[in-house]
Amino acid sequence: TQLLEQSPQFLSIQEGENLTVYCNSSSVFSSLQWYRQEPGEGPVLLVTVVTGGEVKKLKRLTFQFGDARKDSSLHITAAQPGDTGLYLCAGTSGGGADGLTFGKGTHLIIQP
Amino acid sequence: NAGVTQTPKFRILKIGQSMTLQCAQDMNHNYMYWYRQDPGMGLKLIYYSVGAGITDKGEVPNGYNVSRSTTEDFPLRLELAAPSQTSVYFCASSYGGNTIYFGEGSWLTVV
Repeated sequence: TQLLEQSPQFLSIQEGENLTVYCNSSSVFSSLQWYRQEPGEGPVLLVTVVTGGEVKKLKRLTFQFGDARKDSSLHITAAQPGDTGLYLCAGTSGGGADGLTFGKGTHLIIQP
Repeated sequence: NAGVTQTPKFRILKIGQSMTLQCAQDMNHNYMYWYRQDPGMGLKLIYYSVGAGITDKGEVPNGYNVSRSTTEDFPLRLELAAPSQTSVYFCASSYGGNTIYFGEGSWLTVV
């Protein structure tokens, strides 16, 4: 069974600060995805990374896939209250037909 | 833009009752999934389907059944509901197993 460990589990910071959340595994994934989930809604895809060492930017969010494709990080610059939510990483191996393996998520609160 | 539609949004069941969670997608996706999300536990895959007429068990299939008679629909059946099935259920779909799109969730309480 492939496992994804996310850290920290909870993070509360002030508006304007920077933060990084991590997603680690002992298994290799063919791709890794980051989702953001708000209360009462389903997860919404932020980004997919597929190549070891890949870095993708989405405005103030920077995503990196580890060289060995076993880990990933999400860095937020100058966090804003609108960034508050549950951030989930999820990995797939092979063709992804059997769904994603999800981490337990990082609950992020940005205080104004 | 309907995407993935789940019904009902909320439901309370008594122990031993049965019900079906409906899921429909209008994106012509071949893959469909059912996940459950429990507090602090992430999302766990219950069942998935790679196309009409084909279904497979995920990580936590016990107590559930699914069918995929059409590309669009993927209902999840709970037989003999138990308190352990109190959870939030998400249906999702994808084309070829890549980007997965989730519905808005169904909150189920078994009392």
